[in-house]
Amino acid sequence: DAGITQSPRHKVTETGTPVTLRCHQTENHRYMYWYRQDPGHGLRLIHYSYGVKDTDKGEVSDGYSVSRSKTEDFLLTLESATSSQTSVYFCAIRQGGEETQYFGPGTRLLVL
Amino acid sequence: DQQVKQNSPSLSVQEGRISILNCDYTNSMFDYFLWYKKYPAEGPTFLISISSIKDKNEDGRFTVFLNKSAKHLSLHIVPSQPGDSAVYFCAASVGSGNTPLVFGKGTRLSVIA
Repeated sequence: DAGITQSPRHKVTETGTPVTLRCHQTENHRYMYWYRQDPGHGLRLIHYSYGVKDTDKGEVSDGYSVSRSKTEDFLLTLESATSSQTSVYFCAIRQGGEETQYFGPGTRLLVL
Repeated sequence: DQQVKQNSPSLSVQEGRISILNCDYTNSMFDYFLWYKKYPAEGPTFLISISSIKDKNEDGRFTVFLNKSAKHLSLHIVPSQPGDSAVYFCAASVGSGNTPLVFGKGTRLSVIA
């Protein structure tokens, strides 16, 4: 157990509304990541963070923003949700000096 | 351009037999490779990894083989058990630091009792 929680675990929202997903870790890991998983696409990186207030874009960052004001929390925001953002979102952490990432339980998001 | 490819979307194996999951990559700069296992409604869990300085790494029933010249790695599960039924993702990275992992699309393994 890597001490990662995600909230909410499930969410249904309407097109055009803002949505924020939270990833919380308890073990002071430096690196945090947001992925989405879709059928036929595997895991695709949205954004990642390598420290407080240090973030960078991943492969599929359009329509998403992130913030990391504390080591333990990494927030993913959909400014105006679209149906194409219906997906399962996973947060992951990585300790510095290691390559292995450890994943949270996921958030299932449905945009109607 | 897909840098990590898992060309078999699914695989069925009988219980007790060997499961072989394959992964190909195109970026010769990748030097660390990982396999993750994912059950429905759960996050991926780390299974086994290998550095490019090795060609084999073993952990219990799981062995990963790396063929750098062919840019190919494989995961062997022996013997396969029904609880191994899951989606398996191959991932690769370029060194340590900020470079994120690149994942394949996954292979669904079904172990039939």
